[in-house]
Amino acid sequence: DIQMTQSPSSLSASVGDRVTITCRASQSISGFLNWYQQKPGKAPELLIYAASSLQSGVPSRFSGSESGTDFTLTISSLQPEDFATYYCQQSYSTLPLTFGGGTKVDIK
Amino acid sequence: QVQLQESGPGLVKPSETLSLTCTVSDVSIITSYWSWVRQPPGKGLEWIGYIYYSGSTNYNPSLKSRVTISMDTSKSQFSLKLSSVTAADTGMYYCARGPYSGSSSAFDIWGQGTMVTVSS
Repeated sequence: DIQMTQSPSSLSASVGDRVTITCRASQSISGFLNWYQQKPGKAPELLIYAASSLQSGVPSRFSGSESGTDFTLTISSLQPEDFATYYCQQSYSTLPLTFGGGTKVDIK
Repeated sequence: QVQLQESGPGLVKPSETLSLTCTVSDVSIITSYWSWVRQPPGKGLEWIGYIYYSGSTNYNPSLKSRVTISMDTSKSQFSLKLSSVTAADTGMYYCARGPYSGSSSAFDIWGQGTMVTVSS
């Protein structure tokens, strides 16, 4: 299995802050990395696919980047509606498809 | 707008089979891959498996011996069966479009989820 390790597991931030979440793959996944946002009681929603492509309808304050096996989700200016849990997911190998453990972003 | 809706029993007895159905609206079910993903209470996401309209399936090896995913294209539905359930199978079950859909290799549309509790 390809292990996806997210850090931090949680963070506290204020509205307007720049927030960075990291996901490290246990092996090369050639940019096949997706980011999701999940709010309490709701299904996950796709934010970023293929490491850096913004899903249609997602605000431009969300961005993704890649450096080798390290991937970063950045929120340039945190908004009240962005307090949620974020998950990365690799789609390079289907044996199996795997998610990171999640990063919970809450209000400082 | 593409919509997915899960349905099925919310309570399943230990050792029995969990059965869920996902109904797909406003898009042809034969255009994409379709998956099941689950989430134990307070925990992260786990991919269960996917199906393509051709009947091709792929399952998470950790669940493969207990999982069957099938499709009824005439009803625009796909289904999950998970046998020999235990309390560890309790959680929210989501159906989703993906992991291959259009130009992305991601789960781009999700159902609202259905909670399944395994208890006697």
